[in-house]
Amino acid sequence: EDQVTQSPEALRLQEGESSSLNCSYTVSGLRGLFWYRQDPGKGPEFLFTLYSAGEEKEKERLKATLTKKESFLHITAPKPEDSATYLCAVQARGGSNYKLTFGKGTLLTVNP
Amino acid sequence: GAVVSQHPSRVICKSGTSVKIECRSLDFQATTMFWYRQFPKQSLMLMATSNEGSKATYEQGVEKDKFLINHASLTLSTLTVTSAHPEDSSFYICSARGQGDNIQYFGAGTRLSVL
Repeated sequence: EDQVTQSPEALRLQEGESSSLNCSYTVSGLRGLFWYRQDPGKGPEFLFTLYSAGEEKEKERLKATLTKKESFLHITAPKPEDSATYLCAVQARGGSNYKLTFGKGTLLTVNP
Repeated sequence: GAVVSQHPSRVICKSGTSVKIECRSLDFQATTMFWYRQFPKQSLMLMATSNEGSKATYEQGVEKDKFLINHASLTLSTLTVTSAHPEDSSFYICSARGQGDNIQYFGAGTRLSVL
């Protein structure tokens, strides 16, 4: 069974204080690892997809990296508007339904 | 691009009534649509997967007679919660993926409260 564990559950940062979120996963053959951002009372917003170990992707203050066992979401010099829950999900290879298995997320709060 | 619209955003109903939630892909054709349920501070739990023109595939433990899913076109899927009860109160979110794309794009969610 595919599993995703995110840590920490919650993270409080000061504006400008860089940090990283962790996503550990087990999957029967990885098709892709996904990062989403979710604001309170809203649906998840797609950020990145990573497909193979060593791959990195960047978007503004966010950079996602991938190894064979985990992914990190690095946040550089965060701003209050980066406050949200960040969700990690894996998609297994094989099958045709492209299901995602999500972690519980990391609630990030950035204080001004 | 890749916009998914979900309606309504919030619904309050009495116990025993049925509620329909719509999910539309606005700027792409959705080969597959997914329905999730999310409890506070919990992960998104997949309820069912539907492909256009086919019967939905439900996850283990999800009652197919209670949660009716229709995916009649490449841009519209509906979830009907039949005879809703207070324990069905939750946040329901749909997502969609286009042909050849493995990324799921999500709607804004529907907050269902059953009194």
